[in-house]
Amino acid sequence: DAGVIQSPRHEVTEMGQEVTLRCKPISGHNSLFWYRQTMMRGLELLIYFNNNVPIDDSGMPEDRFSAKMPNASFSTLKIQPSEPRDSAVYFCASSTRQGEGSPLHFGNGTRLTVT
Amino acid sequence: KQEVTQIPAALSVPEGENLVLNCSFTDSAIYNLQWFRQDPGKGLTSLLLIQSSQREQTSGRLNASLDKSSGRSTLYIAASQPGDSATYLCAVSGGSNYKLTFGKGTLLTVNP
Repeated sequence: DAGVIQSPRHEVTEMGQEVTLRCKPISGHNSLFWYRQTMMRGLELLIYFNNNVPIDDSGMPEDRFSAKMPNASFSTLKIQPSEPRDSAVYFCASSTRQGEGSPLHFGNGTRLTVT
Repeated sequence: KQEVTQIPAALSVPEGENLVLNCSFTDSAIYNLQWFRQDPGKGLTSLLLIQSSQREQTSGRLNASLDKSSGRSTLYIAASQPGDSATYLCAVSGGSNYKLTFGKGTLLTVNP
């Protein structure tokens, strides 16, 4: 099992550019989460998908952020336009049957720097 | 709104020492509590998950306890090793059990 795979590992972009982060969850996991981690705020849940359907996007900070999950093996988080305050580490995580309290498996994250 | 606090923020111990990390949460109506480990530049690795009906979970040298009524959990690490050096985070899930609220973590350094 390769675990949750995220790409790219690092992204440096200029303010105003579009950024797309990618995630491949563990095969067979039907719950997928996008988190953002900063020193100030710690880990924050951005959006949660279950069976490819967005269930809760209340953590998405602004309309500049959007997430999709076109199939069970792929998800994207897009920021358009990006701003310096979006600089953070973005994690994707997946689990099975979250309703039964399954542990969360995290990817290694994408470190985003917006200049 | 659930708030999770971890004390201390950082801890440095000599190798071989037994240690306890603390986690407290404000809303006792939780579904489960998880302890994670995060190494620099890496994602989080789930260590232990305690369901709300359980009091503790053990894995190797790790033991996590849960006291829902007092809103507390502890992670006990026995015979610490330099390889245990990492940031340890606890997270609780509330009524909508998918939503985890994380503490900011305890940075543990085990000195050889």
